[in-house]
Amino acid sequence: AQKITQTQPGMFVQEKEAVTLDCTYDTSDPSYGLFWYKQPSSGEMIFLIYQGSYDQQNATEGRYSLNFQKARKSANLVISASQLGDSAMYFCAMRGLTSGSRLTFGEGTQLTVNP
Amino acid sequence: EAGVTQFPSHSVIEKGQTVTLRCDPISGHDNLYWYRRVMGKEIKFLLHFVKESKQDESGMPNNRFLAERTGGTYSTLKVQPAELEDSGVYFCASSQIQTGAYEQYFGPGTRLTVT
Repeated sequence: AQKITQTQPGMFVQEKEAVTLDCTYDTSDPSYGLFWYKQPSSGEMIFLIYQGSYDQQNATEGRYSLNFQKARKSANLVISASQLGDSAMYFCAMRGLTSGSRLTFGEGTQLTVNP
Repeated sequence: EAGVTQFPSHSVIEKGQTVTLRCDPISGHDNLYWYRRVMGKEIKFLLHFVKESKQDESGMPNNRFLAERTGGTYSTLKVQPAELEDSGVYFCASSQIQTGAYEQYFGPGTRLTVT
């Protein structure tokens, strides 16, 4: 079984500052992938970043980086230089790479970027 | 390239009625997934098609839900009869492969309201 926990229902950040969205996970799968998706108010789910459990380096995609701490089972999303358009719901998700292809999601964090 | 599309975007029905949701995956994607988010909770997996075959339907809540993917192209999810607890957002996602490091591409969702 897999479980994702996002403990921050809501977060606020000032424009141009960095923000960290927390995500912890639990799985018995020896190989797994961690994902972050963004859901703006328009509703679509946008893939942001992926981290494999055996990747040596933390994943980065533009202003997004994933702070992967395997021993702590955490996969926090860091957004640098926040923009007003970053205001959205953010979901952390995972998939066991050897045990099927379903994604397991957390409850999400609503991020608000203030001008 | 067109993304995953879902129809309708919003449906309001009365308890006991039937609703059919449709998903058109990205062209060429053999893998199609249904998820739903109920009452602001986490997004939960419903089922996974590989072409026209059900690979994993362990997330289907009960036999009031019927998913089909005739011809391995678009998919429908029928709820009959609908209950109040079925209200939520139903997401469809697709992917070209199902193992290893890859992302699932999500549609905008169908918001179902059962009154």
